[in-house]
Amino acid sequence: ETGVTQTPRHLVMGMTNKKSLKCEQHLGHNAMYWYKQSAKKPLELMFVYSLEERVENNSVPSRFSPECPNSSHLFLHLHTLQPEDSALYLCASSQTVLNSALHFGNGTRLTVT
Amino acid sequence: QQQVKQSPQSLIVQKGGISIINCAYENTAFDYFPWYQQFPGKGPALLIAIRPDVSEKKEGRFTISFNKSAKQFSLHIMDSQPGDSATYFCAASRMGSEKLVFGKGTKLTVNP
Repeated sequence: ETGVTQTPRHLVMGMTNKKSLKCEQHLGHNAMYWYKQSAKKPLELMFVYSLEERVENNSVPSRFSPECPNSSHLFLHLHTLQPEDSALYLCASSQTVLNSALHFGNGTRLTVT
Repeated sequence: QQQVKQSPQSLIVQKGGISIINCAYENTAFDYFPWYQQFPGKGPALLIAIRPDVSEKKEGRFTISFNKSAKQFSLHIMDSQPGDSATYFCAASRMGSEKLVFGKGTKLTVNP
């Protein structure tokens, strides 16, 4: 596998469920990101990790909980989500946290019912 | 000041034509301006980027024009092809920041 891989590609969950999104990068990068993409809105930065340390939490509700166990893996744990959280969640990586050349995965399409 | 305003929202061009997408920003501290291309079902991919020390950068059929005084930059796609049909996002960031501010995107359709 090359690039940035996200699983699952699609996820449907109820508001009381707990689920996790997974991201893995095979590029040897040191920074990883979670972005939220909603229709007709700019991509919203949610979290940034540099060398497994969180450097940015962009005022994201606590029902989203990130985890970065090593520089190649990133998770987004979801619990008690709202219907308005339905969106495409994109993981990205870059060589360093200050290098803006982002490499995105293909995203997880999340639907909250 | 953190916004990047992108227009048009959608664009239809005939094959062989020129596609032009414009972006404007307010924050004069921005010094890196990339464009991303996103196909349906895929994540965005970096297409081309420019820094404000040059007014134009060309890569193949894709050109970024940058106007520092007007705080505007644009993407020109020459000889547009149906395979260029995608959503294009402009973005901006400032040196030393991990935040890339994106525009809302332009859906380009190139008719054969």
